[in-house]
Amino acid sequence: GENVEQHPSTLSVQEGDSAVIKCTYSDSASNYFPWYKQELGKRPQLIIDIRSNVGEKKDQRIAVTLNKTAKHFSLHITETQPEDSAVYFCAASWNGNKLVFGAGTILRVKS
Amino acid sequence: EAGVTQSPTHLIKTRGQQATLRCSPISGHTSVYWYQQALGLGLQFLLWYDEGEERNRGNFPPRFSGRQFPNYSSELNVNALELEDSALYLCASSFGSGQETQYFGPGTRLLVL
Repeated sequence: GENVEQHPSTLSVQEGDSAVIKCTYSDSASNYFPWYKQELGKRPQLIIDIRSNVGEKKDQRIAVTLNKTAKHFSLHITETQPEDSAVYFCAASWNGNKLVFGAGTILRVKS
Repeated sequence: EAGVTQSPTHLIKTRGQQATLRCSPISGHTSVYWYQQALGLGLQFLLWYDEGEERNRGNFPPRFSGRQFPNYSSELNVNALELEDSALYLCASSFGSGQETQYFGPGTRLLVL
């Protein structure tokens, strides 16, 4: 069945450093890959997404890369700030169907 | 523009009871998705409704059911509650079938005692 693996499960970085979270998906039909940020007690918030016809997308300090051949996509956060501390989830879906989520990464930015 | 809303915010039930959770999508959105987020775990897909029809169902028992109303709001019903049903239930909406971007509501935290 469909599966999304996410690594690492926890990530601790110093303020100002970069953070990278990696995901691998199993369903080759997947064509949409969003990333959500969830702060404690809050709803998941979409921070960036990418579609299978694009290899890379950037929005200020956040970027996502997609390697369709390897079925692998990654989130890159540069110049991390304490407010970036949260749980980050990757997900994959096909044509508006259900999102299959990774297990999440707890990011801690130390000031 | 108002976001996805859910009610109630918290719900306490005892084992064997039934729970009803409600979701109102963003105006103009016709698809509603339900996910379960158990403590310490990721989000698991429950149900997808679009234009009043059930489009897909996750790997959950039949006692998890729902419906979508003509105004696109949705209801999730959980019958014969079990302790392990305690979780945050999140609703998301999108513009419709084939439109991928899903926006989440704040969730309903269900506690089964």
